[in-house]
Amino acid sequence: AQSVTQLGSHVSVSEGALVLLRCNYSSSVPPYLFWYVQYPNQGLQLLLKYTSAATLVKGINGFEAEFKKSETSFHLTKPSAHMSDAAEYFCAVSENTGNQFYFGTGTSLTVIP
Amino acid sequence: GAGVSQSPSNKVTEKGKDVELRCDPISGHTALYWYRQSLGQGLEFLIYFQGNSAPDKSGLPSDRFSAERTGGSVSTLTIQRTQQEDSAVYLCASSLKTLAGGYSYEQYFGPGTRLTVT
Repeated sequence: AQSVTQLGSHVSVSEGALVLLRCNYSSSVPPYLFWYVQYPNQGLQLLLKYTSAATLVKGINGFEAEFKKSETSFHLTKPSAHMSDAAEYFCAVSENTGNQFYFGTGTSLTVIP
Repeated sequence: GAGVSQSPSNKVTEKGKDVELRCDPISGHTALYWYRQSLGQGLEFLIYFQGNSAPDKSGLPSDRFSAERTGGSVSTLTIQRTQQEDSAVYLCASSLKTLAGGYSYEQYFGPGTRLTVT
């Protein structure tokens, strides 16, 4: 079975600082990878997805993630944090059948003014 | 177009009672997923439907949990004899899958149903 590990359940950054949220997965075959964001009292929204095209994926709101097969990682970054980025972020992986998705436990991002 | 909708948004029930949670996926989405999100936890996969068929029910926590989908659209998650540990937010998501095998794996999530068992 797949597993997804998000290092750091809580991350705090200053406004304007780099955001780095870590995600590692276990998979014997190249998976499909996703980052979702959940704002307070809202549903999950897709930030970006990797589906075996370019390894550097750009998403909404200035976020991007890089697929590194050798490190089995898919870390999420944003050059400059904004107050509105404060939310819960989830990394997810799916095998190419798309029949089941595995989510990490989430990382809560706090942006300090 | 409408997104995924779930009802009720909140449900408080007494221990031992049965509850039904409803999910209306996006029109045309053939794949439907149920997840459970407990406080401070990630998303726990429960069950997946392709059309009306659920190929994998291994994620359901116990035999008190069941789900069905009719007409390839609306799905109902039923929890019988609810227990306090069932308290969580239950999320539904749908995605587009074509019969030709072309997949769009993006899942669209509903707002969830917050279940509280007292």
